[in-house]
Amino acid sequence: GNSVTQMEGPVTLSEEAFLTINCTYTATGYPSLFWYVQYPGEGLQLLLKATKADDKGSNKGFEATYRKETTSFHLEKGSVQVSDSAVYFCALSLSGGYQKVTFGIGTKLQVIP
Amino acid sequence: EAGVAQSPRYKIIEKRQSVAFWCNPISGHATLYWYQQILGQGPKLLIQFQNNGVVDDSQLPKDRFSAERLKGVDSTLKIQPAKLEDSAVYLCASSLDIDGKADTQYFGPGTRLTVL
Repeated sequence: GNSVTQMEGPVTLSEEAFLTINCTYTATGYPSLFWYVQYPGEGLQLLLKATKADDKGSNKGFEATYRKETTSFHLEKGSVQVSDSAVYFCALSLSGGYQKVTFGIGTKLQVIP
Repeated sequence: EAGVAQSPRYKIIEKRQSVAFWCNPISGHATLYWYQQILGQGPKLLIQFQNNGVVDDSQLPKDRFSAERLKGVDSTLKIQPAKLEDSAVYLCASSLDIDGKADTQYFGPGTRLTVL
């Protein structure tokens, strides 16, 4: 079956530190890949996505590259801010009649001043 | 553009009671999803509608959970009777899904259910 594996959190970083959150996937077929973010007290929202191999998604200083050879979609940011504190979810989507989405468990990020 | 609306935001019930959640997706979105998110876990799909038909309910505990999407617009999710392990946040999401291709999901704020 399809699955998404994320690094366990929580991840605690100082402001302006470099962030990497690992995500690997298993899928039958060629999925699209997403990162969703959930800020405290809010619903999930799309952060970025990539729909084919070697695509790079980017938004708000975050980036992730779709690596087919390593089945990975790691999230990176060069300099985190306190406002980036949230839970980050990696997800994959397979098409074929209807969209089928699988989420990872989420990684909590805490950025301290 | 209005987002996905859900109500209520919070609900506390005792085990064996019934509860219902309501969701109104973004106008024009064909696909509607209900997820269960237990604390510390990722969202688990309960049921997925495409227009007013069910395309996936493989993880819905059908002995106690039911859902409907009348007229292909808003939807209700019901639990009857509730168990302690149903305590979770219930998320509704919608997506445009043109031709079943992978598409961004838009989530509502969720309903936090506590079963005592």
